[in-house]
Amino acid sequence: GQSLEQPSEVTAVEGAIVQINCTYQTSGFYGLSWYQQHDGGAPTFLSYNALDGLEETGRFSSFLSRSDSYGYLLLQELQMKDSASYFCAVIEGGSYIPTFGRGTSLIVHP
Amino acid sequence: DTAVSQTPKYLVTQMGNDKSIKCEQNLGHDTMYWYKQDSKKFLKIMFSYNNKELIINETVPNRFSPKSPDKAHLNLHINSLELGDSAVYFCASSQEASGGYEQYFGPGTRLTVT
Repeated sequence: GQSLEQPSEVTAVEGAIVQINCTYQTSGFYGLSWYQQHDGGAPTFLSYNALDGLEETGRFSSFLSRSDSYGYLLLQELQMKDSASYFCAVIEGGSYIPTFGRGTSLIVHP
Repeated sequence: DTAVSQTPKYLVTQMGNDKSIKCEQNLGHDTMYWYKQDSKKFLKIMFSYNNKELIINETVPNRFSPKSPDKAHLNLHINSLELGDSAVYFCASSQEASGGYEQYFGPGTRLTVT
């Protein structure tokens, strides 16, 4: 089976940098995705890592270490609109179906 | 244009009823999915479907069934609704099965069973 661990809640102030960690256990790891979901909204795709290293997309970056079964999402220059839930999702080879973590609620304070 | 759309947005019904949720995507994607998100925001895959294969999460009761009239549509039928079926149901699509790491979600259908 698969399991993912991510913090349930993270708080930060506007303009700060925050890192949301995700550790996983899976038998056939293919990649790690990140999604953002605002309250009442739908998950939206943020980034994907299949190889070790950092992927940067604007203010958001995602990192993966396959040997450590670990990844993180880095959000820079935080804005109030970044307050949302962030989900990591492990993609297993073969089915390519994601298994989502339980999400991290990010609260950005002024 | 909405990429992935679902109807209805809200659905309130009584236990024992049968209901359907419709999903359409205009992205030209090959693979579509149904997810259930519970009150604690846990997002669980229910089905994955393309024109070649249906993958069912073995924990999904057989009261739930996906039906795909064509590549752009994947509807969800639920028979004999139970209180525990209350949740938000999301439809999603990806370009192809192997592209499941990047999915586009519909706005969700909030189902309330009374």
